[in-house]
Order: sequence, then structure tokens, then C-alpha cells
Amino acid sequence: AQKVTQAQTEISVVEKEDVTLDCVYETRDTTYYLFWYKQPPSGELVFLIRRNSFDEQNEISGRYSWNFQKSTSSFNFTITASQVVDSAVYFCASTLGENFVFGPGTRLSVLP
Amino acid sequence: DSGVTQTPKHLITATGQRVTLRCSPRSGDLSVYWYQQSLDQGLQFLIQYYNGEERAKGNILERFSAQQFPDLHSELNLSSLELGDSALYFCASSVGGLAFNNEQFFGPGTRLTVL
Repeated sequence: AQKVTQAQTEISVVEKEDVTLDCVYETRDTTYYLFWYKQPPSGELVFLIRRNSFDEQNEISGRYSWNFQKSTSSFNFTITASQVVDSAVYFCASTLGENFVFGPGTRLSVLP
Repeated sequence: DSGVTQTPKHLITATGQRVTLRCSPRSGDLSVYWYQQSLDQGLQFLIQYYNGEERAKGNILERFSAQQFPDLHSELNLSSLELGDSALYFCASSVGGLAFNNEQFFGPGTRLTVL
């Protein structure tokens, strides 16, 4: 079955620690898109990144970085020097066939 | 503020009823997407419209329907409501029409409670 897995249900770190959120996807498609979204306690969804399957370059945006490994079907998200404001649920998602599938989310708590 | 508006913010209704959720996309965006977030099913993509036409379909139930009007606002109609339809319904918009090939901007959501 085509799906997105986020094995970590909850992660707690202390402020300034680095943290990596894992995402593994299963797809039969050769062309697909991968996404990360953030849902802070206020409830809104915030788009973080979109990556297509042909672009395996890692991406860095400030304290955020993403590691796309096609060979292991993974698209992991690292927050460097975490801050309390990073506390949120993070969702990985992928276009799978004609659908768009979210992972179950990882709840990140950054403690002061 | 993403620029996407959704009304109402909260909706409480009874089983068997029908409700309509409304979404106005960001100015200039032609695509509207609907998502459902529930405790049981997590986040699910329901449907996408682009410039008035259905463009992509996800896990949308037959009891649900949507449309996009000439002014580009969209409505999601939920009928014969069941307890399990209680969820947060998000709308998102993007400029382009290729499903998911664009950054999406999300509205604040409509929380539906079915009693």
C-alpha cells in the first residue's frame, strides 16, 4: 500500500538541542512530491517545504534542514538549536498516485 | 494570517443533518483544497478545485460534495452527518492547478461537532 510513516509519535527535547523527525514513504510512482507541514498548538497548518522526487539535494532554511534519500524512501526533517516556539505537531506528506497522503504526525515538545 | 478565510469557525449540529462550510482563497489563487482532520483518521485530503473545475479527488465520502464558484470561493457540503464526521475541516489555496505542485496556504479551519 502507498503510505507515509512517521515512526516517532512524540519527541521531547530541551531547548537548543538538535532534533530530527523521521519520515518514510512508500510509493510505486516515479514522480511524486514530498512535503512537511507544521501545526502549532493554535491549530493552523503551516507549509514548510515541498520537494519533488527528481531533486535529491538537501535543503536548508535557517534552523531547518531536510534530508531526502530516495534510496531509503526517506525525507527527514532536522531542527537545529531547537526553540520553544518549535513545539508543534509536524506532518510529513506525499503525493501518492492521484491522492495526497499525510503521515500520522510527530508531536515535538521543546522544553525551556 | 495566510489570507485564506473559512466560515464558520465552529459548527455544532445533529446526526442526519446537512451543513455547508465556506472558504475564500487568497487573492489571485485559483486552486482550493479541502482537508479533514479527525482523531480517528488523522489528516486527509478530500478534494481540489481549480478555477471552478474538480482537479483531484482524495478520500471524500459520497455524502460529501464540494464546488468552486466563479468568484473562486468554495463550499464543502456535508450531508447525512454522522458522529464520525466531527472533525476540523481545513481549506487551502494555491496559485496553480497542478495538484500539489504549488505551495498551499491554509485557512484557520472550521471545527464541526456532530452530536
